[in-house]
Amino acid sequence: SQTIHQWPATLVQPVGSPLSLECTVEGTSNPNLYWYRQAAGRGLQLLFYSVGIGQISSEVPQNLSASRPQDRQFILSSKKLLLSDSGFYLCAWSASGVWGYGYTFGSGTRLTVV
Amino acid sequence: GQQVMQIPQYQHVQEGEDFTTYCNSSTTLSNIQWYKQRPGGHPVFLIQLVKSGEVKKQKRLTFQFGEAKKNSSLHITATQTTDVGTYFCAGPSSGTYKYIFGTGTRLKVLA
Repeated sequence: SQTIHQWPATLVQPVGSPLSLECTVEGTSNPNLYWYRQAAGRGLQLLFYSVGIGQISSEVPQNLSASRPQDRQFILSSKKLLLSDSGFYLCAWSASGVWGYGYTFGSGTRLTVV
Repeated sequence: GQQVMQIPQYQHVQEGEDFTTYCNSSTTLSNIQWYKQRPGGHPVFLIQLVKSGEVKKQKRLTFQFGEAKKNSSLHITATQTTDVGTYFCAGPSSGTYKYIFGTGTRLKVLA
């Protein structure tokens, strides 16, 4: 069966520090991968998505970046965090070229920038 | 750009009462998905609807896709405390594999 791992679960970082969040998927190949951010009590904002290794689509201009160095690995990074980067970061995957199964989300990382 | 709106934003109900959330898209959708996010948790896929006018049931949950494929609803019969959470609809962005999530409806069930 397919599983998605996301870590860390919580993170407190000072303003100006770098960020690296990692997400890996097991049990499938060539998944579509997504990074979402959710502010407290708010909806889901798509940040990046990827349909293959090295292919990244950016949805929102910001100081975040994403990379997909391996088929089932998706990394969210920042060189210098801002207070506004605080939020709940969710990685998700969906089957490539297949509709009907929805997104499977990781358990998320709660980031607080102080 | 494409927008997906949900109403109401919040809903408090007494346990045993029914609950409905409505989802409206600015564009026609090829399909629509529903997710549930428990407090402190991550969204979990519930169902996908594809056909115009389609109705699907999961126990006390009834999902409906509008005839024009621009709106959808989720109805919960006789709510229970386990139904607490935020319900999101999501529609595909045309020509891509990304989904645009609705604004969500947060349900609180009072025992």
